[in-house]
Amino acid sequence: NAGVMQNPRHLVRRRGQEARLRCSPMKGHSHVYWYRQLPEEGLKFMVYLQKENIIDESGMPKERFSAEFPKEGPSILRIQQVVRGDSAAYFCASSPTAMNTEAFFGQGTRLTVV
Amino acid sequence: AQSVTQPDIHITVSEGASLELRCNYSYGATPYLFWYVQSPGQGLQLLLKYFSGDTLVQGIKGFEAEFKRSQSSFNLRKPSVHWSDAAEYFCAVGGNNAGNMLTFGGGTRLMVKP
Repeated sequence: NAGVMQNPRHLVRRRGQEARLRCSPMKGHSHVYWYRQLPEEGLKFMVYLQKENIIDESGMPKERFSAEFPKEGPSILRIQQVVRGDSAAYFCASSPTAMNTEAFFGQGTRLTVV
Repeated sequence: AQSVTQPDIHITVSEGASLELRCNYSYGATPYLFWYVQSPGQGLQLLLKYFSGDTLVQGIKGFEAEFKRSQSSFNLRKPSVHWSDAAEYFCAVGGNNAGNMLTFGGGTRLMVKP
């Protein structure tokens, strides 16, 4: 059973471009969580999705950021018109249920905005 | 609002010495508590978790943690540190009304002297 797969591992974008980060959860996991880790900081929750639904997006910036988890395919975190401050590591985690279980983390996507 | 504090940003210990990493949390309900380890450029690996029951929790790699409700703490311990334990350690809290939407502490970077 493969772990949580994130790609790309590293992504470089120029200011103003779009960044698309992908997350394939573990097999059998229908709950996906995105976190952002700024340099020298801990992880901050961004959004929680279940198949085709956004459950909680309280940690998402109000503009430029969006997330989806379609019925088929990976979860996508999309950042439009990236700025230097978006440079961070973005981690995805998945779990089989919402509670009473741990979430498994991917290796992360390190976004650099130049 | 829930929060996690890891008071020690950096800790250096000698190989073979004992280790204790501190974690204090604030959470309005019964907490789920986690310790994760992150090596440079890598994702997060779960060391141990507490959901309920015995307040002394055993994890992987010889780590343990003790949940003390009266002190709102969940400190991580290891009796004898190995050079390979050098990494960043994160404490996190979730719960019945948050599931795997975790709040992380700022992390403690552990360095091990030979």
